[in-house]
Amino acid sequence: DGGITQSPKYLFRKEGQNVTLSCEQNLNHDAMYWYRQDPGQGLRLIYYSQIVNDFQKGDIAEGYSVSREKKESFPLTVTSAQKNPTAFYLCASSSRQAGPPYEQYFGPGTRLTVT
Amino acid sequence: AQKVTQAQTEISVVEKEDVTLDCVYETRDTTYYLFWYKQPPSGELVFLIRRNSFDEQNEISGRYSWNFQKSTSSFNFTITASQVVDSAVYFCALSEAMGRRALTFGSGTRLQVQP
Repeated sequence: DGGITQSPKYLFRKEGQNVTLSCEQNLNHDAMYWYRQDPGQGLRLIYYSQIVNDFQKGDIAEGYSVSREKKESFPLTVTSAQKNPTAFYLCASSSRQAGPPYEQYFGPGTRLTVT
Repeated sequence: AQKVTQAQTEISVVEKEDVTLDCVYETRDTTYYLFWYKQPPSGELVFLIRRNSFDEQNEISGRYSWNFQKSTSSFNFTITASQVVDSAVYFCALSEAMGRRALTFGSGTRLQVQP
């Protein structure tokens, strides 16, 4: 089945460690996005990529890094510079070829806890 | 800058009651897209509906209906005869037609339907 997978579902790390969240899609979508969700809040854009080997900062990129070496994959690294990394992280993708409204499809999310 | 406001943080109703979730948005774009997503306790975002800025026709899908009013920048969502399975957090989101095409989310409304 086509879709977006994120692994793992739950992730625990010690403060000061970098951690990489996986996002894979088999929808042949060009664009991919990373969002962060904090309790009682909406999703906020961290990074996005509209094409392979290119990505742009979103609204809250500080302390995060990404890569887009393959169309199917858009991993997110939460670095030790991120002051409040504990959150729910959602990955999404959309097709540019299909034209607007570029509906985004979401993965199941990864809940990261840093202690 | 775009902004989405969901003023209702939490709503509690009894099963079979009708409930309306409010969404007000701000954008300078003339072409844009509006979405509603449902987030059950599992965390995954479930797409409900999208609307483009030049289509103000209201839509009904089963027990769900949406009222888009460009004059008041609102895109409200009504659930008729609510059911316990409707309990979730509902997000309204806005997407631009050009540029990064990412979603700007409201803070969400938590709906609790009591049996």
